[in-house]
Amino acid sequence: AQTVTQSQPEMSVQEAETVTLSCTYDTSESDYYLFWYKQPPSRQMILVIRQEAYKQQNATENRFSVNFQKAAKSFSLKISDSQLGDAAMYFCAYLKYGNKLVFGAGTILRVKS
Amino acid sequence: SAVISQKPSRDICQRGTSLTIQCQVDSQVTMMFWYRQQPGQSLTLIATANQGSEATYESGFVIDKFPISRPNLTFSTLTVSNMSPEDSSIYLCSVERTEAFFGQGTRLTVV
Repeated sequence: AQTVTQSQPEMSVQEAETVTLSCTYDTSESDYYLFWYKQPPSRQMILVIRQEAYKQQNATENRFSVNFQKAAKSFSLKISDSQLGDAAMYFCAYLKYGNKLVFGAGTILRVKS
Repeated sequence: SAVISQKPSRDICQRGTSLTIQCQVDSQVTMMFWYRQQPGQSLTLIATANQGSEATYESGFVIDKFPISRPNLTFSTLTVSNMSPEDSSIYLCSVERTEAFFGQGTRLTVV
C-alpha cells in the first residue's frame, strides 16, 4: 500500500525568507501524481502545486516550487519570500488515478513577522 | 476543474442526534469521496460514493454510523448518526480527476 510521510510536524519561517517542507512516499507504481495542499484555519483545502511523476521537470507556481526526486521517492516543497498568508497546515498527497488519495500527516507552518 | 458546494459549513449538535451534510458538484463525476479530519490530524477517507450503487467504506467506518446517499452524478450526502463528542471533526467531500477538489468542509461539534 502507498504511504506518505511528512517528518516535520511543525516548521517556522521568518517573513520574506525561504522554507522547505519535506515529504517522502512509498509506491511501486511508475505513473502517479503528487500534490501539496494548504489548509488555512478556514479549513478549505487549497491545491498549492501538482507534479506528474512522468515529468522530470520540477513543478513551479510563483513562490512555490518542488524538488521531485523520483528514485528517492522524495517530494519537498520550497516556499520563497514567505508571507504571513502562507501560515497554514500543509499536506503532501499521492494519487494513483482510480485509487484513493493518500495524505501525509501534515506540517504546520508558522510565519513570523 | 470542479467546484463543490458543501453545507452546512458548521454545526453544533446534541449527542444522540444525526446530521446530514450535503455536497453539490458543478459537473458530473463518477466517484465522490467523504473524509473525516479530527482536530489537528490529517484527512481519513470514510467512504467512496458511486452513483447507483452502495458506498464503499474504509476500515473502521460502517454504513449504520455514516450512511451515504448518491442519488445522481452531481450530488451526495453523508449522515453522521447517533453522534457522540468523538464525532466532533471536520468532514470534507471531494472529487478527483487528475487532482482532488474539495468542498469547503463542515466543522461539526457534538456537545
